[in-house]
Amino acid sequence: ETGVTQSPTHLIKTRGQQVTLRCSSQSGHNTVSWYQQALGQGPQFIFQYYREEENGRGNFPPRFSGLQFPNYSSELNVNALELDDSALYLCASSSQGSRETQYFGPGTRLLVL
Amino acid sequence: EDKVVQSPLSLVVHEGDTVTLNCSYEVTNFRSLLWYKQEKKAPTFLFMLTSSGIEKKSGRLSSILDKKELFSILNITATQTGDSAIYLCAAVRGSEKLVFGKGTKLTVNP
Repeated sequence: ETGVTQSPTHLIKTRGQQVTLRCSSQSGHNTVSWYQQALGQGPQFIFQYYREEENGRGNFPPRFSGLQFPNYSSELNVNALELDDSALYLCASSSQGSRETQYFGPGTRLLVL
Repeated sequence: EDKVVQSPLSLVVHEGDTVTLNCSYEVTNFRSLLWYKQEKKAPTFLFMLTSSGIEKKSGRLSSILDKKELFSILNITATQTGDSAIYLCAAVRGSEKLVFGKGTKLTVNP
């Protein structure tokens, strides 16, 4: 059974740029959630995708957007990067029968300069 | 506003000690409570608690939920250096959103 994978592992961008982060869900999981974890904080919910549709969103501006593909993998896009977007971005997948039990990937560490 | 508060924020113990980590929550449409262990990056799943008063155990770790008082505890007995990590508590709101606390950083010294 393959776990949740994310790419890239690290990324450095400058203010105003755009970034795309990728996530492959665990085998058999059809729901993907994205979280932002700033240093010293717990993860903050960004949004969730189920059957290629956004299914719930946290308090993040529209420049945070996402996609889910037919194979359940997902992308997180962030436009017009700001310094405060520097964080660990975590993807978690879950199955339809147990969407609250979410399994996390290793994350992408984003640094915005 | 949804809120999850963990205490203490930081804890330093010696190998063999027993620790209790606390998590209180105020979340609308609460469904369940999850505990995770985060060592470097990926939080790893420990427990999901949905019913009050039923203890869940896995080796030296155990956890229980009190839905009347809105809190949960995670106990670790006979701590080992490998238990050093950040322990995250998350309340599940609806089916889609985990509301996390800031975590408890546990350091176990030999």
